[in-house]
Amino acid sequence: QVQLVQSGAEVKKPGASVKVSCKASGYTFTGYYMHWVRQAPGQGLEWMGRINPNSGGTNYAQKFQGRVTMTRDTSISTAYMELSRLRSDDTAVYYCAIQQWLVNWFDPWGQGTLVTVSS
Amino acid sequence: SYVLTQPPSVSVAPGQTARITCGGNNIGSKSVHWYQQKPGQAPVLVVYDDSDRPSGIPERFSGSNSGNTATLTISRVEAGDEADYYCQVWDSSSDHDVVFGGGTKLTVL
Repeated sequence: QVQLVQSGAEVKKPGASVKVSCKASGYTFTGYYMHWVRQAPGQGLEWMGRINPNSGGTNYAQKFQGRVTMTRDTSISTAYMELSRLRSDDTAVYYCAIQQWLVNWFDPWGQGTLVTVSS
Repeated sequence: SYVLTQPPSVSVAPGQTARITCGGNNIGSKSVHWYQQKPGQAPVLVVYDDSDRPSGIPERFSGSNSGNTATLTISRVEAGDEADYYCQVWDSSSDHDVVFGGGTKLTVL
């Protein structure tokens, strides 16, 4: 079945960068968009952007433009989200999620990766 | 940017019907999707395209969308339905393509 497995929790200092991975299985990796969504502690869901694994093309939410980079490695069916210049309010669980072609919902989601930014 | 408004909380007794609303300007012209998120878990899609259910989601979950309000309805509520619920739309006219509502905590009394 379709499955997304994310990398483990990270602790970073303010100003550093973090790179989270999302390994896909059970489908053709280049067939579906991969999105990244984050959730701060006790807060709601916030969309960060998406990557087309086939072309590498990206769309980022304006809030994260200049700080986020989404990439992929098709040889290992893995997508990456790197966030730079981390601040304490970037502390959140980061999720990857699949969007199939011609639909605009997400299913399934990865298990999430907790990123803690603390000095 | 497009805004989706959900009530912070909804409470219902077991066996009763829960209705969770999602308000947005002319939301009836958009496709609305709903996710369930239990504590410590990733969101799970429970309704897509206003009223369709993914395989494996009970028929007790249904949705509607008209005018300025979309609604997720959970019939015969069970204790296991207690979770946060989020609505989501796609809005390419905003500064971010994907918009989520603020979430609603469903409490089963």
